[in-house]
Amino acid sequence: NAGVMQNPRHLVRRRGQEARLRCSPMKGHSHVYWYRQLPEEGLKFMVYLQKENIIDESGMPKERFSAEFPKEGPSILRIQQVVRGDSAAYFCASSPSGLAGPKTQYFGPGTRLLVL
Amino acid sequence: GQQLNQSPQSMFIQEGEDVSMNCTSSSIFNTWLWYKQDPGEGPVLLIALYKAGELTSNGRLTAQFGITRKDSFLNISASIPSDVGIYFCAGRPARNNDMRFGAGTRLTVKP
Repeated sequence: NAGVMQNPRHLVRRRGQEARLRCSPMKGHSHVYWYRQLPEEGLKFMVYLQKENIIDESGMPKERFSAEFPKEGPSILRIQQVVRGDSAAYFCASSPSGLAGPKTQYFGPGTRLLVL
Repeated sequence: GQQLNQSPQSMFIQEGEDVSMNCTSSSIFNTWLWYKQDPGEGPVLLIALYKAGELTSNGRLTAQFGITRKDSFLNISASIPSDVGIYFCAGRPARNNDMRFGAGTRLTVKP
């Protein structure tokens, strides 16, 4: 049973370009979370999605950032017109569905974005 | 920003020593999780706790869900060099679906 997969593992962009980060949850998981981690810091929640729905985007910047989790295919975190401050590691996590709601989150290896 | 207070920020210990770290919150949590992150990798789940008072072990690791539901601790016994890494606590608040993370405890083990 494959774990959470993220690609690319490393992404280099110039200022003003777009960055697309992909996340495939664990098999059977329908909840996806995106986090951002700066060097030497903890993880900061960005957005929580279920299939085709954004449940909570309270941690996501209002501009330039968007996320989706389509019915088919991976979840995508999209950053438009990247700036140097967007350089960070972006982690995706998934959790199983259930009546009790999402409980345990399993993380992917992350995408390290470097903006030049 | 972070809503969990995790301490200590860093620890330097000798191989064989026991380690203890904890997380506290100002609000009630329904779930406490402990993760370990190695450099360049994603966090790996160590222990999950779902009930107040629950005490769970995973090898040399033991974690407890505080009775007040506002804290949790992680103990590592007889540390070894491969325990080196950053340990994060995470909790899911009551009435919320998202997880809040502590800032991490960076553990260094000297052989």
